[in-house]
Amino acid sequence: AQSVTQLGSHVSVSEGALVLLRCNYSSSVPPYLFWYVQYPNQGLQLLLKYTTGATLVKGINGFEAEFKKSETSFHLTKPSAHMSDAAEYFCAVSDRLSQGGSEKLVFGKGTKLTVNP
Amino acid sequence: DTGVSQDPRHKITKRGQNVTFRCDPISEHNRLYWYRQTLGQGPEFLTYFQNEAQLEKSRLLSDRFSAERPKGSFSTLEIQRTEQGDSAMYLCASSQGQARLSWYFGPGTRLTVT
Repeated sequence: AQSVTQLGSHVSVSEGALVLLRCNYSSSVPPYLFWYVQYPNQGLQLLLKYTTGATLVKGINGFEAEFKKSETSFHLTKPSAHMSDAAEYFCAVSDRLSQGGSEKLVFGKGTKLTVNP
Repeated sequence: DTGVSQDPRHKITKRGQNVTFRCDPISEHNRLYWYRQTLGQGPEFLTYFQNEAQLEKSRLLSDRFSAERPKGSFSTLEIQRTEQGDSAMYLCASSQGQARLSWYFGPGTRLTVT
């Protein structure tokens, strides 16, 4: 079964600093990979996704993530943090269509990002 | 297209009571998913529908939980004889087709069992 590990349940950065949120997946076949953001008491919003092709994926709000097959990783970065980036971030995976299997998304436990002024 | 909506947004109930939540997916989406999110955890899959057919259920979905999607449009999730451990955010999502590339999440229903 697919699983996702997010290293660091809490990350704190200063405004303007680099944001790096880590995600590793466990699958011999690279799954589809997603990053979602969740603001307090709200649902999940898709930041970006990797399906195929270019391994550096750009998303909304200046975020990007790089798929590294050799490291089974899909870390999320943003060059300069903004106060409005404070939220919880979830990495998720799903089996590729070609694999069949379940259609569900499997989420990591999340990383809460705090941005200090 | 107004997105995925869920009702109610908040529900407080006493232990032992039954509760029902509703999810209205994006209108042309044939797949609908229910997730549960407890404090400090990521969303956990509960069940999903393709049209009106319930195709997969998690072992998390005990016999006190039941979900329906009678006409392939909105869905309901019922919890019978609620327990304090049922306190969580219940999220609904919808998607279209088999691409597995786009899920749209609703705002969630926060359940508190006292």
